[in-house]
Amino acid sequence: DTGVSQDPRHKITKRGQNVTFRCDPISEHNRLYWYRQTLGQGPEFLTYFQNEAQLEKSRLLSDRFSAERPKGSFSTLEIQRTEQGDSAMYLCASSLGVAGAGNEQFFGPGTRLTVL
Amino acid sequence: RKEVEQDPGPFNVPEGATVAFNCTYSNSASQSFFWYRQDCRKEPKLLMSVYSSGNEDGRFTAQLNRASQYISLLIRDSKLSDSATYLCVVRIYGQNFVFGPGTRLSVLP
Repeated sequence: DTGVSQDPRHKITKRGQNVTFRCDPISEHNRLYWYRQTLGQGPEFLTYFQNEAQLEKSRLLSDRFSAERPKGSFSTLEIQRTEQGDSAMYLCASSLGVAGAGNEQFFGPGTRLTVL
Repeated sequence: RKEVEQDPGPFNVPEGATVAFNCTYSNSASQSFFWYRQDCRKEPKLLMSVYSSGNEDGRFTAQLNRASQYISLLIRDSKLSDSATYLCVVRIYGQNFVFGPGTRLSVLP
């Protein structure tokens, strides 16, 4: 499968614990995005990378959230001291990052986080 | 005002019907426009990009009205398999993608 993959697919954790999610983009894609989606809403942008550089972060991304893409390939999203409000689907997407047709995003299957 | 707004629906239509969704956006600097489809508990998938002159892909037609800042999606001859949530997506060049809340469509037999 050459699409975007995410791991784990599901995560249940207790409030206050730290969690880390991984995303592997399509191999030739240089842009990688993280989104959060709750029931009945569209995906909300969290952050994105151009290669290894984190170019933009949403105001939604509190200091408990951190994302990395150390070698410009896979990325991790860490949430520290999880809260019940962090429960959501966390989606990763990648794109070629060029103008025109190349900026369509391809999404991974998501990681569903439940904070108890 | 939200950056991208959509009627959440649901739109319940019979098979074979024609249905249209609108999406409005607030930032006049928006340059790229897309429709994504999302099935229940699945990831969004690109349905089509929306070009200034309008574009068609089989039973699907997308239109852009920059003056009124809205885009539309028309689905002709609806199929049961068209049942999904349709997400409107807008992007300003060099910035992130902004998704609308989605419009739910149910095509009924």
